[in-house]
Amino acid sequence: DIQMTQSPASLSASLEEIVTITCQASQDIGNWLAWYQQKPGKSPQLLIYDATSLADGVPSRFSGSRSGTQYSLKISRLQVEDIGSYYCQQAHSNTFGAGTKLELK
Amino acid sequence: QVQLKESGPGLVQPSETLSLTCTVSGFSLTSYGVNWVRQPPGKGLEWMGTIWNDGSTDYNSALKSRLSISRDTSKSQVFLKMNSLQTEDTAIYLCAGSYSGPYYFDYWGQGVMVTVSS
Repeated sequence: DIQMTQSPASLSASLEEIVTITCQASQDIGNWLAWYQQKPGKSPQLLIYDATSLADGVPSRFSGSRSGTQYSLKISRLQVEDIGSYYCQQAHSNTFGAGTKLELK
Repeated sequence: QVQLKESGPGLVQPSETLSLTCTVSGFSLTSYGVNWVRQPPGKGLEWMGTIWNDGSTDYNSALKSRLSISRDTSKSQVFLKMNSLQTEDTAIYLCAGSYSGPYYFDYWGQGVMVTVSS
């Protein structure tokens, strides 16, 4: 099974700060990678698919990148509405990372 | 406007069978796949299975022996049945529609909390 190692598990950042979350795949998954945001008490929301494509309606401060089997989600200028948990998902055989809880400093 | 809504019992006895329904609107079951995902309280997401636009299914290998996903296209409904429930199956169960690509979950229901307890 393909494992996704997501880091950090938790993160505290200030408004307007740049935030980066990473996922390391245990084997090649190509660009089959998505990122989701989940706010407390809500369902997840698709942010990025195909590793770098922005989902409809998602602010442009979110971006995804890939370097080999490492994938990153970047928030260019953290806003208060970005607080929540973030999950990567490998869509090759469908497993999620363990999640990153993003809090405001 | 795409909407998905889960329904089913909130409490299931151990060893019993869970039956859930996902009712879809604004989204054709014959055009896009529908997935079931669950989330234990305070924990992460686990993909359970998918029913594709052609009616074929894929299941998480860890759940495959207990899980069945089916649909009724005339009612725009997708069904989940999972047997031999245990306390560790206590979770929020969500259905999600795929649009951007296979196994990408663009549209989500609100979820239904299922507690396995006697």
